[in-house]
Amino acid sequence: DSGVTQTPKHLITATGQRVTLRCSPRSGDLSVYWYQQSLDQGLQFLIQYYNGEERAKGNILERFSAQQFPDLHSELNLSSLELGDSALYFCASSPRRGGWYNEQFFGPGTRLTVL
Amino acid sequence: QKEVEQDPGPLSVPEGAIVSLNCTYSNSAFQYFMWYRQYSRKGPELLMYTYSSGNKEDGRFTAQVDKSSKYISLFIRDSQPSDSATYLCAIHNPGIQGAQKLVFGQGTRLTINP
Repeated sequence: DSGVTQTPKHLITATGQRVTLRCSPRSGDLSVYWYQQSLDQGLQFLIQYYNGEERAKGNILERFSAQQFPDLHSELNLSSLELGDSALYFCASSPRRGGWYNEQFFGPGTRLTVL
Repeated sequence: QKEVEQDPGPLSVPEGAIVSLNCTYSNSAFQYFMWYRQYSRKGPELLMYTYSSGNKEDGRFTAQVDKSSKYISLFIRDSQPSDSATYLCAIHNPGIQGAQKLVFGQGTRLTINP
């Protein structure tokens, strides 16, 4: 158990809908990351937040947005869902800001199915 | 060209065999190289990370980086059925300090047969 929690575990919804995925980082971790894992694209970085501020951005669609709250939990919002958005969504957190590399601890993921 | 290339396998070997998993990468600026293990329906967990070139050993696992050929490897000695998982190489794309973008390979699915 990494200490990162994600809810819900599974989500089934229809095209065009909007969903919110939630992540609680490990105690004391200030950075939160979101990744998408699909069979064809593999595990892809979406976005990083550090202490409430956006820090780095990857291949995140405009239909997707994220935020990190003062209590450091984070939410990933996916809107106007398409079939291709079906994937595993992982949240990760890391323990400190300093330096070029900080180990990332991954949560168990949310499996999103868009029908 | 993808930033990181990894043969997705699948790879199936008998218990006790030495396993070699490999990735290539394109950007010579990369400095940190990682191997993650992902069991079915679980999140990735960090096995090892290496800075720059050279070898790093942890028990039955050895990570190797050859920056001259942009090649990273993971060796598993005395493989066990519990090692059956998907192994993902990852590279830290430095960008600005504090930005921690990881670029992952496609993952190699490994099965160790008893």
